[in-house]
Amino acid sequence: GENVEQHPSTLSVQEGDSAVIKCTYSDSASNYFPWYKQELGKRPQLIIDIRSNVGEKKDQRIAVTLNKTAKHFSLHITETQPEDSAVYFCAASRGGAQKLVFGQGTRLTINP
Amino acid sequence: GAVVSQHPSWVICKSGTSVKIECRSLDFQATTMFWYRQFPKQSLMLMATSNEGSKATYEQGVEKDKFLINHASLTLSTLTVTSAHPEDSSFYICSARSPAGGPYEQYFGPGTRLTVT
Repeated sequence: GENVEQHPSTLSVQEGDSAVIKCTYSDSASNYFPWYKQELGKRPQLIIDIRSNVGEKKDQRIAVTLNKTAKHFSLHITETQPEDSAVYFCAASRGGAQKLVFGQGTRLTINP
Repeated sequence: GAVVSQHPSWVICKSGTSVKIECRSLDFQATTMFWYRQFPKQSLMLMATSNEGSKATYEQGVEKDKFLINHASLTLSTLTVTSAHPEDSSFYICSARSPAGGPYEQYFGPGTRLTVT
């Protein structure tokens, strides 16, 4: 089955700097790669997603890149702000009614 | 649109008792719902996939007789933790696919924190 590896497990950056979180997946049939932000005790919130027919997607300060050949995808957050502090999860799915497989999570801390 | 609710938001029960958690899609019909468990400082682990009108599909290592899932309608799935033990204490989250969200996106409920004493 699918296996998603996420790095780093913790990341601390200065406010205004960029943060990058990386994930690799094992199932070449996966075609949907969402990123979630989760605050303590809350539900995961979708912040951006990408499908396998696209190599890059951007939404304001957040961008995701996908390399299907290498089977890895990355989340890029620019101009980080204190409210970006949270745990971020990547996930992979074959789409449709198929399940999401989550990475281990990255605890991002933005230092003022 | 695409709102998923869970009830209760938190529950405390005694060891050996059973507790039921409800997951509802409020403004759409969900043929498929998913149940996850999340231990502190860990990732979401899928427990089972719940399909309306049929038996749930459980992930490897999840005891189907202990975690009973019922998806009797297109807007409601329930998870019953039977004979709960302290090690079942966790954050349980459901999600559902909305046809309006396309074939990919899942919408998550707010979660239920279960504490077994």
